[in-house]
Amino acid sequence: DAGVTQSPTHLIKTRGQHVTLRCSPISGHKSVSWYQQVLGQGPQFIFQYYEKEERGRGNFPDRFSARQFPNYSSELNVNALLLGDSALYLCASSQWTVNEKLFFGSGTQLSVL
Amino acid sequence: DQQVKQNSPSLSVQEGRISILNCDYTNSMFDYFLWYKKYPAEGPTFLISISSIKDKNEDGRFTVFLNKSAKHLSLHIVPSQPGDSAVYFCAARISTGTASKLTFGTGTRLQVTL
Repeated sequence: DAGVTQSPTHLIKTRGQHVTLRCSPISGHKSVSWYQQVLGQGPQFIFQYYEKEERGRGNFPDRFSARQFPNYSSELNVNALLLGDSALYLCASSQWTVNEKLFFGSGTQLSVL
Repeated sequence: DQQVKQNSPSLSVQEGRISILNCDYTNSMFDYFLWYKKYPAEGPTFLISISSIKDKNEDGRFTVFLNKSAKHLSLHIVPSQPGDSAVYFCAARISTGTASKLTFGTGTRLQVTL
C-alpha cells in the first residue's frame, strides 16, 4: 500500500509569492493534518481536516489556508510568503480525527528567498 | 511556551548498549505520548506510544516509561543498533471528541557507534 505522498518534494519561491502544497493520504484514511518543521525544531501543528471540514487550527496567520477534497487529498496554501516560511511542510494522515498515531509523508521542503 | 521539551540535543551510545532518550512536558491535558524516529529527507516514522493512564509500554527492543507525577517520559532502546541512528522526537497529543493535534519536542539525535 502506498504511504502518504506529498508534492512537490522541493520548492523555491521568492518573498511575496504564493505556494500550494499537495498531499494524498493513505488509502482509507479520512483525516489529514499539516505540520511545519523549521530547521532545528520539532514539527508544529498547522491544520487538521476531516471529511472536508477544518477540525483544528494551530497558531499560524491567516496567510495559511488549507482544504480537503472529496477523495480526502488536501492542499496547503500559503500567501504572501515571508523568509520565515522556509521550512519542511509535513502532511500526516489517519483514519479518524482522534487516532493513536499519525502517518507522515516525506514532506515538501520550501525555501523562500 | 514549549510544552514538550527534549533537553538533550544529541546522544551517542555504543552498539549493544542501552539508549535512553528523555522528554518532559508541562500540560496535564495531554492524553497520549508518542515517539517518532526521523531519518534525513524522510518524514517522521511512528515508533511507540503510551496512554496517559499507563506507566509502561513495550514493543520489542523499545520501551516507553511514563512518570505522570514528574511529567516525564523516556524511551529505552535495548540493545541499540547502528540502524537506530536517527533523530527521535517526543510528541504529546491533545484531543477532543472530534479533533486532535500533536505537540512535538525539538528532537534528540541518537548516534549508535560500532
